[in-house]
Amino acid sequence: SAVISQKPSRDICQRGTSLTIQCQVDSQVTMMFWYRQQPGQSLTLIATANQGSEATYESGFVIDKFPISRPNLTFSTLTVSNMSPEDSSIYLCSARTFNTGELFFGEGSRLTVL
Amino acid sequence: AQSVAQPEDQVNVAEGNPLTVKCTYSVSGNPYLFWYVQYPNRGLQFLLKYITGDNLVKGSYGFEAEFNKSQTSFHLKKPSALVSDSALYFCAGPSGEAAGNKLTFGGGTRVLVKP
Repeated sequence: SAVISQKPSRDICQRGTSLTIQCQVDSQVTMMFWYRQQPGQSLTLIATANQGSEATYESGFVIDKFPISRPNLTFSTLTVSNMSPEDSSIYLCSARTFNTGELFFGEGSRLTVL
Repeated sequence: AQSVAQPEDQVNVAEGNPLTVKCTYSVSGNPYLFWYVQYPNRGLQFLLKYITGDNLVKGSYGFEAEFNKSQTSFHLKKPSALVSDSALYFCAGPSGEAAGNKLTFGGGTRVLVKP
């Protein structure tokens, strides 16, 4: 299995500011992903974090709004830029392990934008 | 389009009774299917997966799921539910051409187990 640590676990931010969420995995993983989830609802994939290259974004998500980095096999960041109240959500980091291919999740970062 | 669906928003069951959470899929090729559970204010926890092999898959916490190709279903089951099983359950399947690469999630089913 893989243990995924995210920080911050929650934050309250002002409109127009940006916040960077960090994701650290305790073992090397093949792929890392960022999801968004409204409380009690399903998950929406934002992007695949590619090591050493630009992330691959899903429809409706763009790099200018959600820049992502992945400098090595165990670490990634997601920035939510120029935030608005509509960005209030839970952001989840996930990673797929080499050996089992299972997808593990962090505890999530709950973001509230005022 | 590849997708999974959970037809029930909520399932209520008495403790000790059987629990079933439904999932249907629409994917091309061989489906890779997963079940995850999310407890309040927590991330998702992996329960079980189906890739190939036996249609009955056993997972964590006494859960199992049956893959049914003719009905395109992958229902999650537990013979005797516990109050602690109350949580949000997600079925997931492959999204995109590379099976098992990215996952798309169903809408989720909230399970409430009453004592």
